[in-house]
Amino acid sequence: TQLLEQSPQFLSIQEGENLTVYCNSSSVFSSLQWYRQEPGEGPVLLVTVVTGGEVKKLKRLTFQFGDARKDSSLHITAAQPGDTGLYLCAGLPDYKLSFGAGTTVTVRA
Amino acid sequence: DTAVSQTPKYLVTQMGNDKSIKCEQNLGHDTMYWYKQDSKKFLKIMFSYNNKELIINETVPNRFSPKSPDKAHLNLHINSLELGDSAVYFCASSLRASGGSDTQYFGPGTRLTVL
Repeated sequence: TQLLEQSPQFLSIQEGENLTVYCNSSSVFSSLQWYRQEPGEGPVLLVTVVTGGEVKKLKRLTFQFGDARKDSSLHITAAQPGDTGLYLCAGLPDYKLSFGAGTTVTVRA
Repeated sequence: DTAVSQTPKYLVTQMGNDKSIKCEQNLGHDTMYWYKQDSKKFLKIMFSYNNKELIINETVPNRFSPKSPDKAHLNLHINSLELGDSAVYFCASSLRASGGSDTQYFGPGTRLTVL
């Protein structure tokens, strides 16, 4: 059983549409991170959320940390082909970064 | 200049062989990590070193032996390779060993295929 459950596993949408990716856990986290990984490359950190209820925006990407600090979501507005990639959430249940299984997002032109 | 580099990018080898993967970071970070990403894209930590000292050692077969000659380098040696070792191995680094809360910078990965 994974500590962080991501849904959906796969998401394919048309350019210009919106999408939301979810990251859930039964554990409380001091912080959660979101990474994007493109094919053939390593993950790159997008954002870290720390405070329960926190909302952070990165251009067309909006990240939210749940009030209870057990879940997070990533919303992309007007998705573009450049948003295609594997989105990973990660948290620190102890002193080690633990990753979700990821959501593969494909944005069709 | 690449921040975290790994060699080789691809490694294809036979079962039973011994192989090494090298990692170097030029960010001046104290802490380095090895992760394994399986065919389902699940990324799991294997080891972490802080200033050449092993600080995280997950449940990994002892056929895997990390070595850190200095804080800029972390190599991974694998003995008696098995089919199940096929995966993409990522090296990463962070400024400090602050429980991983510092930003981790990942290398491009080494795709290992065991035949």
